[in-house]
Amino acid sequence: DIQMTQFPSTLSASVGDRVTITCRASQSISGELAWYQQKPGEAPKVLIYDASRLESGVPSRFSGDRSGTEFTLTISSLQPGDFATYYCQQYNSYSLTFGGGTKVEIK
Amino acid sequence: EVQLVESGGGLVQPGGSLRLSCAASGFTFSDHYMDWVRQAPGKGLEWVGRTRNRPHSYTTEYAASVKGRFTVSRDDSRNSFYLQMNYLQTEDTAVYFCTRGAFCSGGRCPGPFDYWGRGTLVTVSS
Repeated sequence: DIQMTQFPSTLSASVGDRVTITCRASQSISGELAWYQQKPGEAPKVLIYDASRLESGVPSRFSGDRSGTEFTLTISSLQPGDFATYYCQQYNSYSLTFGGGTKVEIK
Repeated sequence: EVQLVESGGGLVQPGGSLRLSCAASGFTFSDHYMDWVRQAPGKGLEWVGRTRNRPHSYTTEYAASVKGRFTVSRDDSRNSFYLQMNYLQTEDTAVYFCTRGAFCSGGRCPGPFDYWGRGTLVTVSS
């Protein structure tokens, strides 16, 4: 299986901060990666797909990038509703895998 | 409006069986792959299994942790998706989410899970 290593596992930040989360794939997945946001008690919601495409309705402060097997999710200016847990997920292989998650907390 | 509604969760003893259902509406069900994803209490997301659609002969894939114990299936005439879980273990305790996968009319169809149900809780305990 393709392993997705996501870091940091926890991130403390303030409203207005620029935040970056990284996910590294154990082998090439082309750009077949999505980022999800999950708030407590809710189902995850897709933010970014194909590494850098913004899902319809998602604010433009969210962006995704790729460099080889390393992928980043950036929130340009953190808003109160952005405090949540974020997951990456690869859909390149037959066995789909998620990263371990990054909890974005209020500093 | 796309809706996915899971049902069938509950408490089951180790070694027991349970069948989850997912009722889909608001889209052409037969056009999409369908997947189950689970989340153990306080833990991250784990993909469980997939059924592709008719152009791909309804083929299935499973996570190694459930292969041989769980079976995914679908009924396009009922817009429904299922997860049969046998030989349940305490480690299977989780919220199980039904998710909509890629639209696929043939060929390779990679894509994210763009819609999720609210989930149903499965507790495996004696």
